[in-house]
Amino acid sequence: DIQMTQSPSSVSASVGDRVTITCRASQGLSSWLAWYQQKPGKAPKLLIWRASTLQSGVPSRFRGSGSETDFTLTITSLLPEDFATYYCQQASSFPLTFGGGTKVEIK
Amino acid sequence: EAQLVESGGGMVQPGESLRLSCEASGFTVSSSYMSWVRQAPGKGLDLVSVIYSGGSTLYADAVKDRFTISRDNSKNTVYLQMNSLRVEDTAVYYCAKGFSDYDWGYFDHWGQGTLVAVSS
Repeated sequence: DIQMTQSPSSVSASVGDRVTITCRASQGLSSWLAWYQQKPGKAPKLLIWRASTLQSGVPSRFRGSGSETDFTLTITSLLPEDFATYYCQQASSFPLTFGGGTKVEIK
Repeated sequence: EAQLVESGGGMVQPGESLRLSCEASGFTVSSSYMSWVRQAPGKGLDLVSVIYSGGSTLYADAVKDRFTISRDNSKNTVYLQMNSLRVEDTAVYYCAKGFSDYDWGYFDHWGQGTLVAVSS
């Protein structure tokens, strides 16, 4: 199975801050990577797919980049509604696997 | 707009069975890749099983030979039959729709989740 490692596991930030989350895969994924946002008690929401494609309806302050084993999710200017947990997920091979999550908390 | 509604969760004892249902609207499950993803309390996300549009199925090692994914096209519903449940199967189970046939590994719609609790 492909292991997905996210860092940091949590980050404290303020409204307006730029936040960067990284995701490393144990083997090359090409661009087969997604990012999800999950709020407490809710289902995950797809933000980015194919590493950098913004899902329809997702604000442009969310940006994905990277390829093969190293990927990044950047939130360019945090809004109050962005405080949540973020997961990366590889879509390269079964079983599809998720990172451990990064909780973005209010400073 | 695609919507997914899960049902069938509950509290059971180890070794017992449950069947989860995922009723879809706004699209047809027979033309889609449908998955079950679970999340143990306070933990991350784990893919459990997938059913392809063509009917093929895949399972995570942790549930192979115990869980069965299926669908009823007439009811536009996907099921997860869970047998021989273990304490470690305790989780919220989400039904999720694959983005497209080529990009089936991206989940663009999710249900609200249903809680399965296995405890003696």
